[in-house]
Amino acid sequence: DAGVTQSPTHLIKTRGQQVTLRCSPKSGHDTVSWYQQALGQGPQFIFQYYEEEERQRGNFPDRFSGHQFPNYSSELNVNALLLGDSALYLCASSLGLGQTRTEAFFGQGTRLTVV
Amino acid sequence: GQSLEQPSEVTAVEGAIVQINCTYQTSGFYGLSWYQQHDGGAPTFLSYNALDGLEETGRFSSFLSRSDSYGYLLLQELQMKDSASYFCATEVGGFKTIFGAGTRLFVKA
Repeated sequence: DAGVTQSPTHLIKTRGQQVTLRCSPKSGHDTVSWYQQALGQGPQFIFQYYEEEERQRGNFPDRFSGHQFPNYSSELNVNALLLGDSALYLCASSLGLGQTRTEAFFGQGTRLTVV
Repeated sequence: GQSLEQPSEVTAVEGAIVQINCTYQTSGFYGLSWYQQHDGGAPTFLSYNALDGLEETGRFSSFLSRSDSYGYLLLQELQMKDSASYFCATEVGGFKTIFGAGTRLFVKA
């Protein structure tokens, strides 16, 4: 089992550009959550996808959007990139229920740098 | 607002015991989880407490007191490899999970 895989591992973008990050959940998991982690901080919840629907969203602007595919993999899209979007983006997968009610498995993340 | 508070740093010596505290302020409560994250790595799940009391998993134990809105992670027989950041986390308002800012543990020889 490959666990949670994210791609790419590193990315450099210019202000104003758009970016798409990808996540494949752990085998058997149907729920994917995305987090933004700034250096020295805890992960900040962006949103969660279950059954191809966004079922919970954190305090992030509409520039952040996502998608979940029938095979449970997911994408995070960020439009009109700002310098402040530079962070580690983490994907976590779990089964059905909320992330802390069942063990969540995290990917290694995508390090996004906006210049 | 909803938040979890943890100390920013803790230092301990190899072989010792260390306790990392977490106090939370949330509307509704669905249990407290703990994660470990090494530099450059992914957070990995350590433990989860839904009810009051102590949960033990090898060298790691986690405690929860819902009446005090407080929990802690206890690491015994510290090893150098335990040097990492530790986060408490809880679910709020549906399926949103919030994390504390993390406690950086330094284990010295």
